[in-house]
Amino acid sequence: ETGVTQTPRHLVMGMTNKKSLKCEQHLGHNAMYWYKQSAKKPLELMFVYNFKEQTENNSVPSRFSPECPNSSHLFLHLHTLQPEDSALYLCASSQTYESSYEQYFGPGTRLTVT
Amino acid sequence: DAKTTQPNSMESNEEEPVHLPCNHSTISGTDYIHWYRQLPSQGPEYVIHGLTSNVNNRMASLAIAEDRKSSTLILHRATLRDAAVYYCILRDVGRDDKIIFGKGTRLHILP
Repeated sequence: ETGVTQTPRHLVMGMTNKKSLKCEQHLGHNAMYWYKQSAKKPLELMFVYNFKEQTENNSVPSRFSPECPNSSHLFLHLHTLQPEDSALYLCASSQTYESSYEQYFGPGTRLTVT
Repeated sequence: DAKTTQPNSMESNEEEPVHLPCNHSTISGTDYIHWYRQLPSQGPEYVIHGLTSNVNNRMASLAIAEDRKSSTLILHRATLRDAAVYYCILRDVGRDDKIIFGKGTRLHILP
């Protein structure tokens, strides 16, 4: 148990659906992250929020829309996804975005797009 | 591209020490060296990090070369539960910090 929870753990959605992934951290951290892990590819950073401000958007398609209403919660809104978006989506948090702080990861949401 | 280079896989016997190498020849003076591991069907887990001096914690030790162009993660007594993919990444204190994970090293523990 890392103090970072993600729901749902598994999600199957069609290409025309709209769904949201939720992440919550109970660590009092101020930075939160979304990562994508596809089969046989390295972990890819998607978005970073530091003190509720988005600081990183690594050329992620607009069909992925992040939301950070407060320092404890992070959402990833999904719409009109493609089959290649099927992957494990991981949330992480750290004290702040400063590089000296370690990240704590959630268990991930396994997303399948049909 | 990842700023670190690690062997694709390694094997070790249970209850023996494991030394996992990482090369980071282009490291800058402000880069922190972080290690994470990912067990099967789980999210990555923080292991250890350091800047210049060697570091120890309850999970592992981190030995950093004097020129900082390489580092070694040391598991003092491997168990079957240490079988995982180990990632070495660099983090810069500057605003241009890009978190880039490579493919890591898959560690196999032999009973």
